[in-house]
Amino acid sequence: EVQLVESGGGLVQPGGSLRLSCSASGFTFTTYTMHWVRQAPGKGLEYVSGISSRGDNTYPADSVKGRFTTSRDNSKNILYLQMSSLRAGDTAVYYCVKEACSGGSCPIDNWGQGTLVTVSS
Amino acid sequence: EIVLTQSPGTLSLSPGERAILSCRASQTVSNSYLAWYQQKPGQAPRFLIYGASNRATGIPDRFSGSGSGTDFTLTISRLEPEDFAVYYCQQYGRSPRTFGQGTKVEIK
Repeated sequence: EVQLVESGGGLVQPGGSLRLSCSASGFTFTTYTMHWVRQAPGKGLEYVSGISSRGDNTYPADSVKGRFTTSRDNSKNILYLQMSSLRAGDTAVYYCVKEACSGGSCPIDNWGQGTLVTVSS
Repeated sequence: EIVLTQSPGTLSLSPGERAILSCRASQTVSNSYLAWYQQKPGQAPRFLIYGASNRATGIPDRFSGSGSGTDFTLTISRLEPEDFAVYYCQQYGRSPRTFGQGTKVEIK
């Protein structure tokens, strides 16, 4: 069974930094592109960033480019999202998600339970 | 980036009725790489449709997708009580992947 468990969320001041982690199990982590998707309270889904299976390519949304960095440790099956220069608009539940297939363009078939990031003074 | 616009914002229907949800893209979605997801309050989204018209594993056949190019549709043939939720489309053919803003299907 695929499991994606996010951690690292919490309250942070504007301009601060936070690192999210996602521990993956139940599938061959090293062969899948992974992504982060967020959802502000009461709002819709917003794509944040993705990273290729080997970690050599990342795909950030314009809204986080230059502030958020996605990385992965394939030896530990962990996905990371390093967030800096945080703003109130970054307040959201952050989901770690897995693609449905390895290689090529694939939809998302599994979601973590999400971790809440609150940016406030 | 490709902008996806979903309509209507809210659909008020009764159980047993048909729901038709629209997703329009600002550019052609390559290879119909268009997916649909269902989200209920307090839950993570659930994968429904991929490739515009293919049901994911375990999805009932009352859910169907269609479309190509820039216009896509999700149809729920006969609404069951558990189908009242928010539905999102997503294109995964071009980075960054983008989502529509969602359509809420509520009980009339």
